[in-house]
Amino acid sequence: QVQLVESGGGLVKPGGSLRLSCAASGFTFSDYYMSWIRQAPGKGLEWVSYISSSGSSMYYADSVKGRFTISRDNAKNSLYLQMNSLRAEDTAVYYCARGRYYGSGIHENWFDPWGQGTLVTVSA
Amino acid sequence: DIQMTQSPSSLSASVGDRVTITCRASQSISSYLNWYQQKPGKAPKLLIYAASSLQSGVPSRFSGSGSGTDFTLTISSLQPEDFATYYCQQSYSTLIFTFGPGTKVDIK
Repeated sequence: QVQLVESGGGLVKPGGSLRLSCAASGFTFSDYYMSWIRQAPGKGLEWVSYISSSGSSMYYADSVKGRFTISRDNAKNSLYLQMNSLRAEDTAVYYCARGRYYGSGIHENWFDPWGQGTLVTVSA
Repeated sequence: DIQMTQSPSSLSASVGDRVTITCRASQSISSYLNWYQQKPGKAPKLLIYAASSLQSGVPSRFSGSGSGTDFTLTISSLQPEDFATYYCQQSYSTLIFTFGPGTKVDIK
């Protein structure tokens, strides 16, 4: 079955860095756009970043632009999020989610499925 | 950027009730609106895509409607497993994907 498993979360000091990973299985990873979405404790969902199926195009929320970098390794069926210059407000559960099929319409950007999430805590 | 609002922010309902949640976009998004369900401590789950298409495996008591700026998610007969938080998400923008603030449905 389709599965996404995140890893790499943990406690980091403000200004520090962390790299999240998402291992995909059960589908042709290289055919799908992928995304990172986060949820601060007790808060709603915030889309963070999106990468095309080939990895050639990346998009970011303004809140993380210039600090976070999304990437993928299609040979390893893996998605990554490099997070630098971390701030307290980046504290959240980070989910990876499958986006649209590369051949589908450009507006077919719903997220399904989602991984179980990995918690990132930014605190001194 | 497209902003999304939801109403109400929370509601209390009983098993068997008909429940309606509204989502509004700050500009027209055609029918590019998706709905998710999230239970405490769990990842969100896609319920409805493209405003009214039911995701595979989702019970038929869930339905979505609307276009332009106003959308609704309806649960025809609330079941115990439906108590959760519901989020809308616009996919009209191809660069930034905005979620609504969520509607929490709990037991009356």
